[in-house]
Amino acid sequence: GNSVTQMEGPVTLSEEAFLTINCTYTATGYPSLFWYVQYPGEGLQLLLKATKADDKGSNKGFEATYRKETTSFHLEKGSVQVSDSAVYFCALTGGAGTALIFGKGTTLSVSS
Amino acid sequence: GAGVSQSPSNKVTEKGKDVELRCDPISGHTALYWYRQSLGQGLEFLIYFQGNSAPDKSGLPSDRFSAERTGGSVSTLTIQRTQQEDSAVYLCASSPPGVPSYNEQFFGPGTRLTVL
Repeated sequence: GNSVTQMEGPVTLSEEAFLTINCTYTATGYPSLFWYVQYPGEGLQLLLKATKADDKGSNKGFEATYRKETTSFHLEKGSVQVSDSAVYFCALTGGAGTALIFGKGTTLSVSS
Repeated sequence: GAGVSQSPSNKVTEKGKDVELRCDPISGHTALYWYRQSLGQGLEFLIYFQGNSAPDKSGLPSDRFSAERTGGSVSTLTIQRTQQEDSAVYLCASSPPGVPSYNEQFFGPGTRLTVL
């Protein structure tokens, strides 16, 4: 079945550091890939998405590229801020009407 | 506009009691999903509605769990004879109609259920 594996946290960085959170997936067919973020005390929010191979999703300075050859969708940001502290979830879906399958989540803590 | 809303935000109940959790999706969204977020299991899918029908109930963990949706809008997740392992945050999400190949889901704030 489909599954998502993301790096274990927590990840602790200083402000302005470079961020990478690794995500790999196993899926049949051509899934769509997502990063969701959960800020402290808030609900899940879509951060970015990519729907086909080589697509790059981007938002708020975060980027992730859909790599079919390595079945990966790593999240990156060039310079993190304290306000980026949150839990990040990688997820996939097989298409409309199918459930999201999530990774376990990675907690990011950024200090000033 | 208004997002997905869920009520109650917190629910504390005693083992063996029944609970009902409510979800109000974004107006016009035809697809509705329930998920559960717990420390040990992460985020797990429970059930999917398209309109008032539930074509995918594969994530419901036992027959103590049921859900319905009426008028293509509000959904209620019911847990009968609650157990301590049911303690979790229950999340609802909705999607608009006519979504192409991807499946963007908009999440509510969740209901935190604690079973004593």
